Amino acid sequence: KAGVTQTPRYLIKTRGQQVTLSCSPISGHRSVSWYQQTPGQGLQFLFEYFSETQRNKGNFPGRFSGRQFSNSRSEMNVSTLELGDSALYLCASSATSAYEQYFGPGTRLTVT
Amino acid sequence: DQQVKQNSPSLSVQEGRISILNCDYTNSMFDYFLWYKKYPAEGPTFLISISSIKDKNEDGRFTVFLNKSAKHLSLHIVPSQPGDSAVYFCAAISNSGNTPLVFGKGTRLSVIA
Repeated sequence: KAGVTQTPRYLIKTRGQQVTLSCSPISGHRSVSWYQQTPGQGLQFLFEYFSETQRNKGNFPGRFSGRQFSNSRSEMNVSTLELGDSALYLCASSATSAYEQYFGPGTRLTVT
Repeated sequence: DQQVKQNSPSLSVQEGRISILNCDYTNSMFDYFLWYKKYPAEGPTFLISISSIKDKNEDGRFTVFLNKSAKHLSLHIVPSQPGDSAVYFCAAISNSGNTPLVFGKGTRLSVIA
């Protein structure tokens, strides 16, 4: 089985712009979760989608949004980028619940 | 409030010795715990897990111990190898519903040859 893929792998944006990141889960997985990783902060949960519905949401501002398509692929969008949004954004998929999630390689976002 | 805490940001161990990574949690609803390992430029990979009904789970060189009364778990790696050098994340979840994994901030393990 192919693993979780994320595109793009690297991205440089300017403050105020918006960005869309994409995640393709493992075939058959219906749950996709997004995390932000910054130095010293570990993995902070953004949101989880299951069968096209947002099932859980972390404590991030409304500038962070996501969606899931019928083929389970997911996108996350960050609007009005701030310097503090520079981070590694990780996507993880699982078959049903959050147990044993499989992570993609991440998208490294740099905001200048 | 941090529900899962890894108080040691880094740990350095000699090759062949034991590595002990610690994790504390505050939410008594957590009943399943996982360890993930992360290399640079890669996503975290699942390493080992333990249910709250157990106090120990072993998989090769990796053993996780759970002390529910102390809300503490630890990952033991014996013997440590240079390839074990990575960031290790502790995570916890409640089985009571479809809640997300909660991660600690990670501990960077360096195994010195």
